[in-house]
Amino acid sequence: DTAVSQTPKYLVTQMGNDKSIKCEQNLGHDTMYWYKQDSKKFLKIMFSYNNKELIINETVPNRFSPKSPDKAHLNLHINSLELGDSAVYFCASSQGGFAALHFGNGTRLTVT
Amino acid sequence: DQQVKQNSPSLSVQEGRISILNCDYTNSMFDYFLWYKKYPAEGPTFLISISSIKDKNEDGRFTVFLNKSAKHLSLHIVPSQPGDSAVYFCAASTPYNNNDMRFGAGTRLTVKP
Repeated sequence: DTAVSQTPKYLVTQMGNDKSIKCEQNLGHDTMYWYKQDSKKFLKIMFSYNNKELIINETVPNRFSPKSPDKAHLNLHINSLELGDSAVYFCASSQGGFAALHFGNGTRLTVT
Repeated sequence: DQQVKQNSPSLSVQEGRISILNCDYTNSMFDYFLWYKKYPAEGPTFLISISSIKDKNEDGRFTVFLNKSAKHLSLHIVPSQPGDSAVYFCAASTPYNNNDMRFGAGTRLTVKP
């Protein structure tokens, strides 16, 4: 009965490849997010989706594209992977407003 | 432009003593603040929050203090327990963009038995 689940947990791939990370939430939340935790451990927002509408896009390269087939899912597609994309990616959801975020356990992406 | 800063990357305290984790922010428009706790290989989990209309919020062993004039907040854990050992993230959001939550870099707390 995991609230926010993301797969895979680990992803190792070569430069230039295209990969996807899946995220699902069963909390009935309206808003889903993707965060990136870089090597300096900062959690930085990448995307936010509310009712299938993108409402935040924080200067993320267009190689990254979020796709939301429905309110419970927000997948992250990454094209032409680069070494600098190596990081831990967290999916999260919230009811919006000032509600706290509920995070998945993260996907550690390593680009070689 | 890191708007939320946690200047202490680590903190070590003895079990039973008080842990004080600090957070500073630069954006005066932030009006809602949260603390998250993160264990290894897990995502952050919400711990406690405070609105800018308050200066203190308490939940069991956890208390968050907000000093708006100093743009500073702190998390007090008393008494500290070994299970509190984790990374603690401070986060803040603004009223006109409350889906854009900004996080600090985290402070690793170690509570020694």
